[in-house]
Amino acid sequence: NAGVTQTPKFRVLKTGQSMTLLCAQDMNHEYMYWYRQDPGMGLRLIHYSVGEGTTAKGEVPDGYNVSRLKKQNFLLGLESAAPSQTSVYFCASSYLSGKSKNIQYFGAGTRLSVL
Amino acid sequence: DAKTTQPPSMDCAEGRAANLPCNHSTISGNEYVYWYRQIHSQGPQYIIHGLKNNETNEMASLIITEDRKSSTLILPHATLRDTAVYYCIVRVGAAGNKLTFGGGTRVLVKP
Repeated sequence: NAGVTQTPKFRVLKTGQSMTLLCAQDMNHEYMYWYRQDPGMGLRLIHYSVGEGTTAKGEVPDGYNVSRLKKQNFLLGLESAAPSQTSVYFCASSYLSGKSKNIQYFGAGTRLSVL
Repeated sequence: DAKTTQPPSMDCAEGRAANLPCNHSTISGNEYVYWYRQIHSQGPQYIIHGLKNNETNEMASLIITEDRKSSTLILPHATLRDTAVYYCIVRVGAAGNKLTFGGGTRVLVKP
């Protein structure tokens, strides 16, 4: 059972380049989330999804887009990368209901540097 | 979500119990106490959660005071691999929305 898998693990971009981060979960979770974590700081929610085909903005959505075409996948896109987007990105997922609701399971993270 | 207060850091001897306090004096009746930890360079990891009663699982125990204004996470036999930042989070038990990670407690387990 892999849980939450993020690809790639590391990436270096030049300013203005685009890329997509992939998050895949095999726990049949309805909810999925993208967070970013800057050095010495807590996690900040970028976007989240409550189900296939639906997405919503978090607290820091600017400069990012997301898509959830399949229940198990949640993609985070950077259309034109900026140095301010240098960060560690974490994906998480959780159940909609039941005793385990609101327990979020996290991936290992993607370390992104924008030069 | 209720605000939480945790000490910024604490040391613990390997093999001893680590007791991590958390104050949440403004907690409301439908809010749960969740504990997560983040080991260096890894994603946050769920540890345990509770509403009123004390809880125990294979990782830790959670003791919640009767008035629910504070709680203690207990790692019964700390190992070097338990060195991490531990976050106490209080929120409603409904799914969705963000987890608000505050400063947490940086725990250093020493040999």
